[in-house]
Amino acid sequence: GNSVTQMEGPVTLSEEAFLTINCTYTATGYPSLFWYVQYPGEGLQLLLKATKADDKGSNKGFEATYRKETTSFHLEKGSVQVSDSAVYFCALSGLTGTASKLTFGTGTRLQVTL
Amino acid sequence: KAGVTQTPRYLIKTRGQQVTLSCSPISGHRSVSWYQQTPGQGLQFLFEYFSETQRNKGNFPGRFSGRQFSNSRSEMNVSTLELGDSALYLCASSLDGGTRTEAFFGQGTRLTVV
Repeated sequence: GNSVTQMEGPVTLSEEAFLTINCTYTATGYPSLFWYVQYPGEGLQLLLKATKADDKGSNKGFEATYRKETTSFHLEKGSVQVSDSAVYFCALSGLTGTASKLTFGTGTRLQVTL
Repeated sequence: KAGVTQTPRYLIKTRGQQVTLSCSPISGHRSVSWYQQTPGQGLQFLFEYFSETQRNKGNFPGRFSGRQFSNSRSEMNVSTLELGDSALYLCASSLDGGTRTEAFFGQGTRLTVV
């Protein structure tokens, strides 16, 4: 079945540092890939997505590229801010018929300090 | 455009009771999915409804059920509550649940079973 593996957290960075959160996946076919962010006490917010190989999703300075050859979708940001502190989830969608069923990684907590 | 609305935000129930949670999707969205989030198991897919029909189901016992109304609003019910049902329950809506469509999440209902 489908699965997503994320790097263990927490990740602690100083403000303006470079961020990478690794995500690899196992899936049949060609799923869509997503990054969601969860702030304390809140639901999930879609951060970015990519729907096919070599697509780059980007939003609010965050980027991730769909790498089919390495089955990866690593999240990057050039300069993090304190307000980026949250839990980040990598997810993939299933094939037609199960597309609405997202498979999530375990989440990576990011803490950014001044 | 209003987002996904879940009610109530917080619930405290006693073991053995039943509970009903409500989700109003984004206007025009016809697919509603439910997820359970716990510290130990992470985010797990419960089920998805599309056009009033359950289209996909996760690996949860029959105590967990749901339904969808003609206006796409959805409810999930948990009967004979157990302590382990304590979790954040998230609802997500999308246009049609297709592979390329985005899922938008509500803020969740935090259920505590005592």
